[in-house]
Amino acid sequence: AQKVTQAQTEISVVEKEDVTLDCVYETRDTTYYLFWYKQPPSGELVFLIRRNSFDEQNEISGRYSWNFQKSTSSFNFTITASQVVDSAVYFCALSNTNAGKSTFGDGTTLTVKP
Amino acid sequence: EPEVTQTPSHQVTQMGQEVILRCVPISNHLYFYWYRQILGQKVEFLVSFYNNEISEKSEIFDDQFSVERPDGSNFTLKIRSTKLEDSAMYFCASGDIYGYTFGSGTRLTVV
Repeated sequence: AQKVTQAQTEISVVEKEDVTLDCVYETRDTTYYLFWYKQPPSGELVFLIRRNSFDEQNEISGRYSWNFQKSTSSFNFTITASQVVDSAVYFCALSNTNAGKSTFGDGTTLTVKP
Repeated sequence: EPEVTQTPSHQVTQMGQEVILRCVPISNHLYFYWYRQILGQKVEFLVSFYNNEISEKSEIFDDQFSVERPDGSNFTLKIRSTKLEDSAMYFCASGDIYGYTFGSGTRLTVV
């Protein structure tokens, strides 16, 4: 069975602070995919990143960066210099295929205050 | 960029009524999914659909739910007799071997 744990239910930061959202996963598969999604107040799911289990390189995209560590089964997400528009619920998800069903974590609600 | 389109964006229905949620997947995608998100909770897998049949379904997807591709382009989720607890955001997704894309969701309110 697959499981995704986002231990942080809510995080509140002040604008321009850096913030890291934690994600720990469990799977018996040797090949799997990890995802991060942003859900703004409007409700849609915005895809942020997909990472396969064979690629442990960290990735940076603008103010966003991801740290994938198989040794600790973690796929953490960092927002640098946070902005009010980053306020949203962020979900980490796990799939055993690139296009298979995903198991989502409970989500972390990030509030960035001006 | 191709999109998955869901209609309606919001639907209100009376308890016991049948409701059909519609999705237009990205053309050439072969895998189709429905997920549900009860307000304030996580996104939960309902069903996956491939080659014109259900490939996997969750415990949530009981006999009151059904899916079909009536015309080869649309992908629908039918709830036969809605209950109050069916109130949720329903997301459709479509994919290929390179990944999948979510639609913007249909918010279903059962009153």
